[in-house]
Amino acid sequence: GQQLNQSPQSMFIQEGEDVSMNCTSSSIFNTWLWYKQDPGEGPVLLIALYKAGELTSNGRLTAQFGITRKDSFLNISASIPSDVGIYFCAGTYQTSGSRLTFGEGTQLTVNP
Amino acid sequence: DVKVTQSSRYLVKRTGEKVFLECVQDMDHENMFWYRQDPGLGLRLIYFSYDVKMKEKGDIPEGYSVSREKKERFSLILESASTNQTSMYLCASSIRGGRETQYFGPGTRLLVL
Repeated sequence: GQQLNQSPQSMFIQEGEDVSMNCTSSSIFNTWLWYKQDPGEGPVLLIALYKAGELTSNGRLTAQFGITRKDSFLNISASIPSDVGIYFCAGTYQTSGSRLTFGEGTQLTVNP
Repeated sequence: DVKVTQSSRYLVKRTGEKVFLECVQDMDHENMFWYRQDPGLGLRLIYFSYDVKMKEKGDIPEGYSVSREKKERFSLILESASTNQTSMYLCASSIRGGRETQYFGPGTRLLVL
């Protein structure tokens, strides 16, 4: 099946810094989703993107659906300690139906 | 807000026991999914269901079965638990034709001794 390449795998940043992570695919995706998972919890949906070029914000988070439909990025501005967690991208492509393909996650550590 | 609940947050079972993990969603979603999550392996789809009494195998169905008798409830069954089924189990749901946005429950961490 399809795979999503998510990078970086991990990030160690200082509080207040901005963060950027991205996902790429070899195929065209119809939907891009970004989730955050805290330790021991289920993933929580942060942002959903449904159209090429779409740029959506949720507080300090901004995500974009790439024009080529093969990539997406998530930015976090002015990071705070509670941003710590694992961030996953996920998406669907033409023949995947309702099944999501997941990236491997970006582990974010924020030092106060 | 979509709410997906899972019957237990933590479970400890013995090898060979039959284990039931239950998931309930309150948003009338048609689609429901069971995943397991292991370090280094990401989220892997076990089974999913598009409707009541419908089920489809995911990528790793071996050793598991599912039941969907009511729209809001999707159960994962480990017929005879084994130590290699120790994992974090995540349930999710989505609306049919709803751009496939899945909403997850809090997870059940299962330890099989």
